[in-house]
Amino acid sequence: GNSVTQMEGPVTLSEEAFLTINCTYTATGYPSLFWYVQYPGEGLQLLLKATKADDKGSNKGFEATYRKETTSFHLEKGSVQVSDSAVYFCALKENTGFQKLVFGTGTRLLVSP
Amino acid sequence: GAGVSQSPSNKVTEKGKDVELRCDPISGHTALYWYRQSLGQGLEFLIYFQGNSAPDKSGLPSDRFSAERTGGSVSTLTIQRTQQEDSAVYLCASSLEGTSGRYEQYFGPGTRLTVT
Repeated sequence: GNSVTQMEGPVTLSEEAFLTINCTYTATGYPSLFWYVQYPGEGLQLLLKATKADDKGSNKGFEATYRKETTSFHLEKGSVQVSDSAVYFCALKENTGFQKLVFGTGTRLLVSP
Repeated sequence: GAGVSQSPSNKVTEKGKDVELRCDPISGHTALYWYRQSLGQGLEFLIYFQGNSAPDKSGLPSDRFSAERTGGSVSTLTIQRTQQEDSAVYLCASSLEGTSGRYEQYFGPGTRLTVT
């Protein structure tokens, strides 16, 4: 079946450091890929998405590129802020059937001043 | 506008009791999803509604779990004879529709269920 694997956390960084959170997927067909973020005490929010190979999703300074050849969708940000501290989930959605999301286990990011 | 709401926000129950969790989707959203977020299992899909019918129930972990949706709006997830392994955060999401793949799923804040 479909699955998503992302790096375990926590990832601890100082403010203004470069962030990479790795995500790889296994899927039949050509899924859409997503990064969701969960800030402390809040619900899941869509951060960015990409629907086909070589698409780059971007939002709030975060970027991720859909790499079909490596089945990856790594999340990057050039300069993190304390306010980016949250749990980040990589997810895929099949483009057939009933569109349920398959999530990775989540990566907690802690950014210190 | 109003987002997805869930109630209660927290629920503590004794093992063996039944619980009902409620989800109010965004008005006009025909697709509704339930997910479960637990320490051991991450975020798992439970069930999907399109309108009032549930064409995908593949994620329900046992027959103690059931869900319904009425009026194409509110949904209730019921867990009978709760067990400690049911302790988790139950998340509800809705989207404008669920078959084309074009529409984002919006998540509620979740219900934290603790079974003692």
